Amino acid sequence: QKEVEQNSGPLSVPEGAIASLNCTYSDRVSQSFFWYRQYSGKSPELIMSIYSNGDKEDGRFTAQLNKASQYVSLLIRDSQPSDSATYLCAVSLSSGGSYIPTFGRGTSLIVHP
Amino acid sequence: NAGVTQTPKFRILKIGQSMTLQCTQDMNHNYMYWYRQDPGMGLKLIYYSVGAGITDKGEVPNGYNVSRSTTEDFPLRLELAAPSQTSVYFCASSSGQAATNEKLFFGSGTQLSVL
Repeated sequence: QKEVEQNSGPLSVPEGAIASLNCTYSDRVSQSFFWYRQYSGKSPELIMSIYSNGDKEDGRFTAQLNKASQYVSLLIRDSQPSDSATYLCAVSLSSGGSYIPTFGRGTSLIVHP
Repeated sequence: NAGVTQTPKFRILKIGQSMTLQCTQDMNHNYMYWYRQDPGMGLKLIYYSVGAGITDKGEVPNGYNVSRSTTEDFPLRLELAAPSQTSVYFCASSSGQAATNEKLFFGSGTQLSVL
């Protein structure tokens, strides 16, 4: 079964630190990788997408992709209490000619002042 | 610009009852999805559709049915509700035009309790 794995946490970091969130996936033909942030009681919202090996930076967020190792990560620099949320890794897994977004269980991040 | 609209937001069902969760999108997206999220867990795919008239099972389809008669609407039907179906349900859509263009747009969710 094709899977997306994340450590459920919680990951606790002090304000201003770098938070590192990790995700592995099992399907070698996956082409699209996403990080969604979900606040408690809310819908997921996309914060980063990455399609090629290497790093992609957007403000305080950096997504890193290594297809050979089937590994994608999200770094949050200068973490703020407002970053406290669950971060969901999503990978588009092949299914009958389509690519279907498949989610990991999410990592809970707590940023304490 | 409404995006993805889900109704109802909350519902309590008795065991054995049936109901339909409504989902509509106004972005002319081909792909639509139903996910469920249990406490402390990620999203599990129930059913998806790649266009009107085409639906397929996801990871956890048992106890659910869907239809896609129009591009805009993708209702989820629960037959004979069971306590195991207590969850938060999210409808989502994407354009699905290319493998790299699969950002999901989510509805606000439906909190369903089966007692």
